[in-house]
Amino acid sequence: DAGITQSPRHKVTETGTPVTLRCHQTENHRYMYWYRQDPGHGLRLIHYSYGVKDTDKGEVSDGYSVSRSKTEDFLLTLESATSSQTSVYFCAISGGFGKRGDTEAFFGQGTRLTVV
Amino acid sequence: AQTVTQSQPEMSVQEAETVTLSCTYDTSESDYYLFWYKQPPSRQMILVIRQEAYKQQNATENRFSVNFQKAAKSFSLKISDSQLGDAAMYFCAYRSVNTGNQFYFGTGTSLTVIP
Repeated sequence: DAGITQSPRHKVTETGTPVTLRCHQTENHRYMYWYRQDPGHGLRLIHYSYGVKDTDKGEVSDGYSVSRSKTEDFLLTLESATSSQTSVYFCAISGGFGKRGDTEAFFGQGTRLTVV
Repeated sequence: AQTVTQSQPEMSVQEAETVTLSCTYDTSESDYYLFWYKQPPSRQMILVIRQEAYKQQNATENRFSVNFQKAAKSFSLKISDSQLGDAAMYFCAYRSVNTGNQFYFGTGTSLTVIP
């Protein structure tokens, strides 16, 4: 299994509070992604990173920010959580387009976030 | 942005039979990668099969095979000799080579295997 760990695995938080989810990898992969999974929507990209301090927005980035200060860590922050951000969040990593095993995305275990 | 469409929200198959899950995508790129992922109730995302767009030969992994039709932008997954452990949500995914190396996912197909 690819070395990718998300923390926490479960979190309940109140509306209006900041929340940070952490993704840690031991694979030294260049690309890291944050997705949210909601019924009927599949996985939607929130933000992604293509290197240390290099990040870009995905299709559902409003209300989220990210940071990547080290290759191995990619943080997702909900500045002020809202009920619409209740979801399952997945971190994924990927290499480039070299040898087999680099092209696919490897996923963390997911974080179930509930905003009440 | 590229879009990936899975038009079958739910499918069912008898154990030991064959089932085909559909996926279409929209892109103007000529080079890209396609994937099928499986998500069992454990929530873990598991790669099932991978296809490089520049390869005409359809990928195969044991009981799983794809029918890749590049001109039609179609990428279906065939599961042969279905097993109870195949029951899961299946996601089709497209990886762009040019657009920030993003992955785009379909909305998923929930597969039930009937004993």
